[in-house]
Amino acid sequence: AQKITQTQPGMFVQEKEAVTLDCTYDTSDQSYGLFWYKQPSSGEMIFLIYQGSYDEQNATEGRYSLNFQKARKSANLVISASQLGDSAMYFCAMREGGSGTYKYIFGTGTRLKVLA
Amino acid sequence: DTGVSQNPRHKITKRGQNVTFRCDPISEHNRLYWYRQTLGQGPEFLTYFQNEAQLEKSRLLSDRFSAERPKGSFSTLEIQRTEQGDSAMYLCASSHTRDRSPAGNTIYFGEGSWLTVV
Repeated sequence: AQKITQTQPGMFVQEKEAVTLDCTYDTSDQSYGLFWYKQPSSGEMIFLIYQGSYDEQNATEGRYSLNFQKARKSANLVISASQLGDSAMYFCAMREGGSGTYKYIFGTGTRLKVLA
Repeated sequence: DTGVSQNPRHKITKRGQNVTFRCDPISEHNRLYWYRQTLGQGPEFLTYFQNEAQLEKSRLLSDRFSAERPKGSFSTLEIQRTEQGDSAMYLCASSHTRDRSPAGNTIYFGEGSWLTVV
């Protein structure tokens, strides 16, 4: 069965330092997409970064990068130069199949707190 | 381009009452999704529309839940005879089938509607 596991309920990081949020997934599909979303206290889920299962390069988007290790089925999010505004819940999600697939499966999230 | 809009943002209701949430997707997005999120959990898929057609409903969506998207634009999610277990945040999201970004069909969420059943 498809599954996303985020083993870190909470993380602290000092401002301006980098932090890695862990995500492992389980799927039998060859084609899938991995996403990270940020959820501040307001509730909105903000799309951060995407990695396709066939992408050979790790995705990067500004201060966000995705450390994709396909053999290990892991898709960790790296946030560089943390800012106070990065404090939020972070969810890893998987979409099985191609872009026509509509169902995303989410992990339980990691609460990140950036310390001044 | 405005984002996904949901209202009301917060609703407190007594057990047994009916509630309705509205979602306005991003303009021209033809797909619309409803998810539910309880405390300490990630969002769980409830249902999905392509244009006005409701194409799938999760088994989480009991008979007391009904969703509509009558003109293929906004959507409503109604919960009848609410129970305390319905307390959650209801998230709406939208996407476009012609999304040409690398992710293709990335879903964009609204701020959610918090429901508390007392």
